[in-house]
Amino acid sequence: ETGVTQSPTHLIKTRGQQVTLRCSSQSGHNTVSWYQQALGQGPQFIFQYYREEENGRGNFPPRFSGLQFPNYSSELNVNALELDDSALYLCASSLRQGSSPLHFGNGTRLTVT
Amino acid sequence: GIQVEQSPPDLILQEGANSTLRCNFSDSVNNLQWFHQNPWGQLINLFYIPSGTKQNGRLSATTVATERYSLLYISSSQTTDSGVYFCAVPSQGGSEKLVFGKGTKLTVNP
Repeated sequence: ETGVTQSPTHLIKTRGQQVTLRCSSQSGHNTVSWYQQALGQGPQFIFQYYREEENGRGNFPPRFSGLQFPNYSSELNVNALELDDSALYLCASSLRQGSSPLHFGNGTRLTVT
Repeated sequence: GIQVEQSPPDLILQEGANSTLRCNFSDSVNNLQWFHQNPWGQLINLFYIPSGTKQNGRLSATTVATERYSLLYISSSQTTDSGVYFCAVPSQGGSEKLVFGKGTKLTVNP
């Protein structure tokens, strides 16, 4: 059984740039969620995708967007990067919406300078 | 929205000691999850425990949903148990969004 994989592991971007983070869900999982974790804080929910549609969104501006593909993999896109976007971005997959354990990838550490 | 509070915020143990971590939540929930984040940032799901008690090796968890709290027990702690322990519950009105506590940072010294 393949776990959740994320790429890249680290990324450095300049303020104003755009970034795309990628996630492959655990085999058999059809739901993908994205979380942002700032240093010293708990993860904060960004949004969730279920069967290629956004299914719930946290308190993040529209410049945070995403996609889910037919194979359930997902992308997180962030436009017009700000310094405060520097964080660990975590992808999690689950079998069903909100009723099964979340399994996280190792995350992408984004630094915005 | 729902609030999640974890205690203590920091805990330092000697190897072999036992510990109890607590998670309080402000509203009724239909599930609760415990996670361990190791020093490299990897977040591991320990328990999915809406109610009752579960055990996995040296770790066990109990959720008392009616009283809105959960406990994570670590027995015979090892240095590899170090890291941050988070509990998370679904947000009010939407189970698709997990709300995390601020975590308990555990340090186990040899």
